[in-house]
Amino acid sequence: DVKVTQSSRYLVKRTGEKVFLECVQDMDHENMFWYRQDPGLGLRLIYFSYDVKMKEKGDIPEGYSVSREKKERFSLILESASTNQTSMYLCASSVLGVTEAFFGQGTRLTVV
Amino acid sequence: QQQVKQSPQSLIVQKGGISIINCAYENTAFDYFPWYQQFPGKGPALLIAIRPDVSEKKEGRFTISFNKSAKQFSLHIMDSQPGDSATYFCATTGGGNKLTFGTGTQLKVEL
Repeated sequence: DVKVTQSSRYLVKRTGEKVFLECVQDMDHENMFWYRQDPGLGLRLIYFSYDVKMKEKGDIPEGYSVSREKKERFSLILESASTNQTSMYLCASSVLGVTEAFFGQGTRLTVV
Repeated sequence: QQQVKQSPQSLIVQKGGISIINCAYENTAFDYFPWYQQFPGKGPALLIAIRPDVSEKKEGRFTISFNKSAKQFSLHIMDSQPGDSATYFCATTGGGNKLTFGTGTQLKVEL
């Protein structure tokens, strides 16, 4: 079974902190994604990567950056956390050219 | 911009009834139309998907109906069960690997 693992289920951070969300997949997938899930807004794509060191902006990249130094690991970085970044963050991966995405269990981030 | 519009936002169905969730898309380049199911505390998981060369796909109690000319597709859950209670998301993608999701439908199936 494909496994996408997010490092934390719950995080509480202070406004202005630099926050790292980590995601690891074990199936050698080329594509990795970071989504944000908010009630009534669905899943919105923040960034995605189709190869090591490659990244593309999604629909809501402002306030976020990403890093992919190894194929299996994709990190989401909040440079200076703000309260409006309080949300559920979901990581996903998929095979290049194949559209089924496999999701992690999510990280619920609260910024106070 | 919202490229995929999903309705209703929430749905309550009696056990044994039919649950219907609708989605409309704008971009005619989209060529893959999946539905994802999400249980509380879990990430979404692929439920069923369709390509635009067919108008319907059925897997067990779950059916996708696809209307290319109207740019709409829907999920039908026959004989709905309490275990189907979850949030459902439609999604689309066109030629690439980036999925665009709808806003989600919270389904509750009551006994």
